[in-house]
Amino acid sequence: SQQGEEDPQALSIQEGENATMNCSYKTSINNLQWYRQNSGRGLVHLILIRSNEREKHSGRLRVTLDTSKKSSSLLITASRAADTASYFCAPTSYDKVIFGPGTSLSVIP
Amino acid sequence: GAGVSQTPSNKVTEKGKYVELRCDPISGHTALYWYRQSLGQGPEFLIYFQGTGAADDSGLPNDRFFAVRPEGSVSTLKIQRTERGDSAVYLCASSLEPPGVQNFGPGTRLTVL
Repeated sequence: SQQGEEDPQALSIQEGENATMNCSYKTSINNLQWYRQNSGRGLVHLILIRSNEREKHSGRLRVTLDTSKKSSSLLITASRAADTASYFCAPTSYDKVIFGPGTSLSVIP
Repeated sequence: GAGVSQTPSNKVTEKGKYVELRCDPISGHTALYWYRQSLGQGPEFLIYFQGTGAADDSGLPNDRFFAVRPEGSVSTLKIQRTERGDSAVYLCASSLEPPGVQNFGPGTRLTVL
């Protein structure tokens, strides 16, 4: 198991803009997951990308995975104020999931 | 369907007391995880159950922390002789099988005075 490191730590954008968050990790993985956490609430699963996939879409979310660079990115298009939250990547190798410190996204109306 | 539930939602206790936090996972989920989250931080892994047994308890900070899952469903996280540094939100998650999608509960906010 290993921890992902998200970048940037904090991001502030205007509503309607796109938001990009990056994640780096250190060893081989089976899959990589992204989660969102609204203030004071539990985490919500957004998307899972397997190690043999390079890109995946879900609604306004687009995730890429580059296993050669050990990195992933999460793109949120046409952001909304409701997207304001913390976002965590979770590279998963065998059993448990280890979370990094997250990216705090603020979408300004 | 019902998601992961945790009780109580808030717990205030005094330093030195014993507390129990409960997690009800989604029915049929074999894997159950406990995390602790401090303000501004990501969830910190504590322990992971596969069925009734603790598959990995490497995240438990010390022997004051203990967790059980006797019938492979409900789990209880037990903290003895609580300290002010134990104050945090304790999150529980379950998944159909590891290392799949984790379904999180709302958490228990523990405050040790």
